[in-house]
Amino acid sequence: QMQLRESGPGLVKPSETLSLTCTVSGDSINNYYWNWIRQPPGKGLEWIGYIHYTGSTKYNPSLESRVTISLDTSKNHFSLRMTSVTAADTAVYYCARQGTVHYYYSTDVWGQGTTVTVSS
Amino acid sequence: DIQMTQLPSSLSASVGDRVTITCRASQTATLYLNWYQQKPGKAPKLLIYGASNLQSGVPSRFSGRGSGTDFTLTISSLQPEDFATYYCQQSHSTPWTFGQGTKVEIK
Repeated sequence: QMQLRESGPGLVKPSETLSLTCTVSGDSINNYYWNWIRQPPGKGLEWIGYIHYTGSTKYNPSLESRVTISLDTSKNHFSLRMTSVTAADTAVYYCARQGTVHYYYSTDVWGQGTTVTVSS
Repeated sequence: DIQMTQLPSSLSASVGDRVTITCRASQTATLYLNWYQQKPGKAPKLLIYGASNLQSGVPSRFSGRGSGTDFTLTISSLQPEDFATYYCQQSHSTPWTFGQGTKVEIK
């Protein structure tokens, strides 16, 4: 059964770069779409973007200027890079697998989430 | 962007009750509407995809209906493990967007 696990620093200073990695186990990353989604404390879910296994990406326009999602098939993981962070980027960050059009692009496998706090 | 509005934002119900949550899209999502359940401190869990398709392993007391801009999630007989927050999400056009959530609490 596929599992996803996020890893990365839990504390990032304002104006610096947030970097997270999602390691996929139990199946190959060479399929599906791979998403990053975040949830600020006490708030709802915000989609950050995805990368298709072919390497194509889509980002939320509200974050696009600061975000890059990349894929490393040799390590079976994908990554999120967000520049110039502020306190508003404090959130639980989830990585997740998104199915194909056959499954209406629903997100069916999620990591446990990792908390990132932006503070000096 | 397609804005998603859920009603109500919270509700209190008893075990055994029938519960319905509504989700409205600001423009058509056709059938690209998904429902998730989230418990405190946990990742969301997919319940329904494509408006009405039950995800594998999800109890049949959960059902979804709708198309276009108006959708519902119904729990036919609320169980103790169903107390959680529920989110709708449109996957018709990027950016994918979520409703603000509906918290189902114990009466």
